Amino acid sequence: DGGITQSPKYLFRKEGQNVTLSCEQNLNHDAMYWYRQDPGQGLRLIYYSQIVNDFQKGDIAEGYSVSREKKESFPLTVTSAQKNPTAFYLCASTNQAGVYEQYFGPGTRLTVT
Amino acid sequence: ELKVEQNPLFLSMQEGKNYTIYCNYSTTSDRLYWYRQDPGKSLESLFVLLSNGAVKQEGRLMASLDTKARLSTLHITAAVHDLSATYFCAPKKGNYGGSQGNLIFGKGTKLSVKP
Repeated sequence: DGGITQSPKYLFRKEGQNVTLSCEQNLNHDAMYWYRQDPGQGLRLIYYSQIVNDFQKGDIAEGYSVSREKKESFPLTVTSAQKNPTAFYLCASTNQAGVYEQYFGPGTRLTVT
Repeated sequence: ELKVEQNPLFLSMQEGKNYTIYCNYSTTSDRLYWYRQDPGKSLESLFVLLSNGAVKQEGRLMASLDTKARLSTLHITAAVHDLSATYFCAPKKGNYGGSQGNLIFGKGTKLSVKP
């Protein structure tokens, strides 16, 4: 089955620790995205990558970092510099041609105390 | 900068009634997407609207796009409880360029359908 997986589903961390969220897709999509969702809000773009070994900042990249060493994988690191890291994190991917429909993973809920 | 405004943000409906959710966006975009989100879950794609005048229907939901008015609507017909969820519209940022595929999301409309 093709799809996007994110792990873990829930993640708890102490303030000051870096944490890495996993996102893997087997849809052969070129582009991948990370979004953050806060309660009662829409999605805000953190980082995106259109090809391997290249990525761009989205609207709220401060305190986050990413890598894109493989087409299938786009991990997100939430660093200790992120002021309010507690949120629901969603990964998505899309083809670069045609419809550009974004498919979403199940999400990771990060809680930092 | 593309801004997206959905209204209403909260909608409580009786089963069997009709209603429309509106999505206005501020700059040119050639396509728009509607998503559904159940509480605590990810986003599920509902409709992809690819051109001016596009209309798509699935069950009790119908979406339309007017690119000239920068407006999309999601019409609910004879609502049922199963439609209770949050609905997001997301126009694509620009018609072309380096950020192809980037979507800008509205804040969402939380729909509650009551018996």
